[in-house]
Amino acid sequence: DAGVTQSPTHLIKTRGQHVTLRCSPISGHKSVSWYQQVLGQGPQFIFQYYEKEERGRGNFPDRFSARQFPNYSSELNVNALLLGDSALYLCASSLEQGAHEQYFGPGTRLTVT
Amino acid sequence: KQEVTQIPAALSVPEGENLVLNCSFTDSAIYNLQWFRQDPGKGLTSLLLIQSSQREQTSGRLNASLDKSSGRSTLYIAASQPGDSATYLCGAQPHYGQNFVFGPGTRLSVLP
Repeated sequence: DAGVTQSPTHLIKTRGQHVTLRCSPISGHKSVSWYQQVLGQGPQFIFQYYEKEERGRGNFPDRFSARQFPNYSSELNVNALLLGDSALYLCASSLEQGAHEQYFGPGTRLTVT
Repeated sequence: KQEVTQIPAALSVPEGENLVLNCSFTDSAIYNLQWFRQDPGKGLTSLLLIQSSQREQTSGRLNASLDKSSGRSTLYIAASQPGDSATYLCGAQPHYGQNFVFGPGTRLSVLP
């Protein structure tokens, strides 16, 4: 079975631009979470979606938004990019919202210049 | 607010040694604790999940324990190998349905 997939793998953007990152969860998983990992730190929670509804939001500005589609895939959007948004963006899926184990994708490396 | 720390930040050992990685969390009302491995520039690979009602989990050369009263979890790696070189992260799930809070990780190097 395929694991969690994310696209693109790498992305380079300029300050002020907009970016869309995509995630496909493991087949049958209904919950998707997004994390930001800055170099040398642990992942920081951004959003959780379950059954197409936002179920949790971390301490990130309104420039960050996300959505989940009927097939449970998800998009993370970031507007007005700042240099500090450069990071590895990780998507994790789990069977249900409160399911015990999370499975992570390979991440999208975003560089803002 | 749950906070997670990991000690040491980095560790270098010769091949074959047994080692222990430490994870501490501030709120003992933890739901689950999960250990992950991360290779450079890659995503997280789940190693072991300890549910709140459990005290330890084992998989191959790995053993993880959880002591909620002291706010600590340890990951024991037996007979370390160069392929074990990676960053090891622990994540604490504060309550049912909430997302994980991660520590900064321990960077492990196993020298041949």
